[in-house]
Amino acid sequence: DAMVIQNPRYQVTQFGKPVTLSCSQTLNHNVMYWYQQKSSQAPKLLFHYYDKDFNNEADTPDNFQSRRPNTSFCFLDIRSPGLGDAAMYLCATSRDGEREEYFGPGTRLTVT
Amino acid sequence: AQKITQTQPGMFVQEKEAVTLDCTYDTSDQSYGLFWYKQPSSGEMIFLIYQGSYDEQNATEGRYSLNFQKARKSANLVISASQLGDSAMYFCAMRERSFNKFYFGSGTKLNVKP
Repeated sequence: DAMVIQNPRYQVTQFGKPVTLSCSQTLNHNVMYWYQQKSSQAPKLLFHYYDKDFNNEADTPDNFQSRRPNTSFCFLDIRSPGLGDAAMYLCATSRDGEREEYFGPGTRLTVT
Repeated sequence: AQKITQTQPGMFVQEKEAVTLDCTYDTSDQSYGLFWYKQPSSGEMIFLIYQGSYDEQNATEGRYSLNFQKARKSANLVISASQLGDSAMYFCAMRERSFNKFYFGSGTKLNVKP
């Protein structure tokens, strides 16, 4: 089935140790999004790619970076995770930024 | 101003009864889309229903319907015949044509009681 896949589902990292979360999609959608979601809160958009164009939200910390090497894959890099970065990270895709976004199952990040 | 407002942090409903989750929105765009997502405790966001701003009919998808009142800027989700599996967090979201991103509400946690 076409879908959005996130690996790993659970990630534990140490304070300050770089970590990379990955997202892949078989939908051939040209737009990919990364969201951070903390407990009992709405997802917060960090950035998105429209094709190869990177769009950063104004309040996304510099600690968060992203790469999209091709249409199917997108990575979220956290350069120096702090305790406040512990959250669920959701990847989503859409076709041309229209209609619904399709979400992956998320990666739950723990920072020790 | 908040783009999407969900005023019900939590709701209870008896199994097999209908429930309405409220959502109001704020936009000056003429073209926009309204969405509802369900998020179970597992964390995945599941798309439920979509309503376009130019759609004259209220959207329906199985047991889900969207009560779209454009003049009041409301897009309430109605779940008929609630099931225990409907217990989850529900998010209302909007996409404006001029901006390529979602605005999410704060969510409503629905608990279905047996």
